[in-house]
Amino acid sequence: GQQVMQIPQYQHVQEGEDFTTYCNSSTTLSNIQWYKQRPGGHPVFLIQLVKSGEVKKQKRLTFQFGEAKKNSSLHITATQTTDVGTYFCAGEAGGTSYGKLTFGQGTILTVHP
Amino acid sequence: DAGVIQSPRHEVTEMGQEVTLRCKPISGHDYLFWYRQTMMRGLELLIYFNNNVPIDDSGMPEDRFSAKMPNASFSTLKIQPSEPRDSAVYFCASSLRQGYNEQFFGPGTRLTVL
Repeated sequence: GQQVMQIPQYQHVQEGEDFTTYCNSSTTLSNIQWYKQRPGGHPVFLIQLVKSGEVKKQKRLTFQFGEAKKNSSLHITATQTTDVGTYFCAGEAGGTSYGKLTFGQGTILTVHP
Repeated sequence: DAGVIQSPRHEVTEMGQEVTLRCKPISGHDYLFWYRQTMMRGLELLIYFNNNVPIDDSGMPEDRFSAKMPNASFSTLKIQPSEPRDSAVYFCASSLRQGYNEQFFGPGTRLTVL
């Protein structure tokens, strides 16, 4: 079945440093979504990428979708303590699996003030 | 809108007991998903429904787990009998329809089986 691998598992940074998490799928994706889960909370949708090579920005967050639509990355510039949480990528294969997301293991980000 | 509603928020039960988790999706959403989250296995999709019909239940761990969606505004996930390894946070999520597949998660039910 489809697998989505995400690295690193943990990332500790000082406030102001940059952060990147990477996501790789075993199969070509229809689209990829990113979610953030605060400690004790539930996953919250951040963004969806659909097109090959797509790049989207949300303030300090930059999301990329690979040309082959099998990998993606999330980069945060100048982290803040409010960025703390677990970041998940989730891939959708599409076709008969429409709507079904396979989540990566997540990257747990801690930010030291 | 109140968002996805789950109950109970916390459940502590003893091994062998039946557990029923409940979910009310966002009104008008066609898709409903049940996930389980643990440290070891991460966030796993158990089953999902489209217009109240189960589409994919390949993630349901075994026959002890069952899910129903009798109408568009209510779903249940039942574990009978429960086992300690079922301890996890169970999330329900819903999404609007094809082309609008952002998933909205509920607050989750933290299940502890002693």
